[in-house]
Amino acid sequence: GQQVMQIPQYQHVQEGEDFTTYCNSSTTLSNIQWYKQRPGGHPVFLIQLVKSGEVKKQKRLTFQFGEAKKNSSLHITATQTTDVGTYFCAVTYERSYNTDKLIFGTGTRLQVFP
Amino acid sequence: DVKVTQSSRYLVKRTGEKVFLECVQDMDHENMFWYRQDPGLGLRLIYFSYDVKMKEKGDIPEGYSVSREKKERFSLILESASTNQTSMYLCASSFPGETYEQYFGPGTRLTVT
Repeated sequence: GQQVMQIPQYQHVQEGEDFTTYCNSSTTLSNIQWYKQRPGGHPVFLIQLVKSGEVKKQKRLTFQFGEAKKNSSLHITATQTTDVGTYFCAVTYERSYNTDKLIFGTGTRLQVFP
Repeated sequence: DVKVTQSSRYLVKRTGEKVFLECVQDMDHENMFWYRQDPGLGLRLIYFSYDVKMKEKGDIPEGYSVSREKKERFSLILESASTNQTSMYLCASSFPGETYEQYFGPGTRLTVT
């Protein structure tokens, strides 16, 4: 099936440092969603991007959708210990016969040291 | 608030046993999903359902079946559990259409010995 690559797999940062995770597809995407999963928890929806080049912000989190709609990034400014968790992108593809189905990336696990 | 509940947080079963995992949502969502989550592999879709009695295979349906007799309830069945089905199982629900986010249950960690 279609694959969504997410990098890096792990990231350890000092509290206050920035963090970025990238989501890449070889096929044009229809839209992309981002989820956060805290340790021991379940994925929780963060945001959705639909338009080419779209940028959305949520406090210290900035989400971008590439111009070609084949990649996306999540950037966290000045990380805090509450940012610890695994961040997943989840996509739907253009010209997919079923747009209700999300394809999840492999996730980036973020660890923040105080 | 949307609530998705799963019947067990932890489950230990023996090889060859039939296993039922239950999921219930209270938001009248048409779509329901079953995923398994394994380290380094992310979430992989096993089955999903877009209406009562309707189901569609996901990316890894082998060894699993599902049942959706009522809109709010979606069951995952392991006909004959095997050790390679040891995993975290997550249920999710959503409204139809790509613009709707999925709401996840707390997960069931299944161990098959």
